[in-house]
Amino acid sequence: DIQMTQSPSSLSASVGDRVTISCRASQGISNSLAWFQQKPGKGPKSLIYTASSLQRGVPSRFSGSGSGTEFTLTISSLQPEDFATYYCQQYNSYPLTFGGGTKVEIK
Amino acid sequence: DVQLVESGGGLVQPGGSLRLCCIGSGFTFSDYYMDWVRQAPGKGLEWVGRIRKKINSFTTEYAAYVKGRFTISRDDSKNSLFLQMNSLNTEDTAVYFCARVASMGGGYFDNWGQGTLVTVSS
Repeated sequence: DIQMTQSPSSLSASVGDRVTISCRASQGISNSLAWFQQKPGKGPKSLIYTASSLQRGVPSRFSGSGSGTEFTLTISSLQPEDFATYYCQQYNSYPLTFGGGTKVEIK
Repeated sequence: DVQLVESGGGLVQPGGSLRLCCIGSGFTFSDYYMDWVRQAPGKGLEWVGRIRKKINSFTTEYAAYVKGRFTISRDDSKNSLFLQMNSLNTEDTAVYFCARVASMGGGYFDNWGQGTLVTVSS
């Protein structure tokens, strides 16, 4: 199975900050990487697919990059509604696997 | 708008069975692969399995930890996805989400439901 490792597991930031979350795959997955946002008590929301493509309706302050084993999610200017937990996920091979999550909290 | 609504969760004793349902609306259900993903209380997301569409013979994939215990099926005439769970144990306690796999290929999720809670306890 492909292991997905996210860092950090949590971070504190202020509105307007630039935030970067990293995701590392235990083996190469090309660009078969997605990012999700989840708020407490809600289902996940899809943000990014193929490592850098924005889902329809997702604000442009979200961006993704990377290929192979190293990936990054960037929020260019953190907004109040962005405080949530973020997950990466590989869909290159079965079983599909997720990172452990990064909780973005208010500083 | 695409909507996915799960139901069927509840309290079940260890060794018991439960059948979850996910109803899709706002899209042509039969055109999409569908998945189940779960989340134990306070934990991260964990993939359960996938069912492909009719043209792919409704074939399925499962995570190793559910093989032989869980079965995914679908009824496209009712826009419904099912998860039959047998031999449940306390580690299966989780919120279960259904997710739609994007039709553009690649196998990523583009829409999720709100989830249904399954609690396995005596």
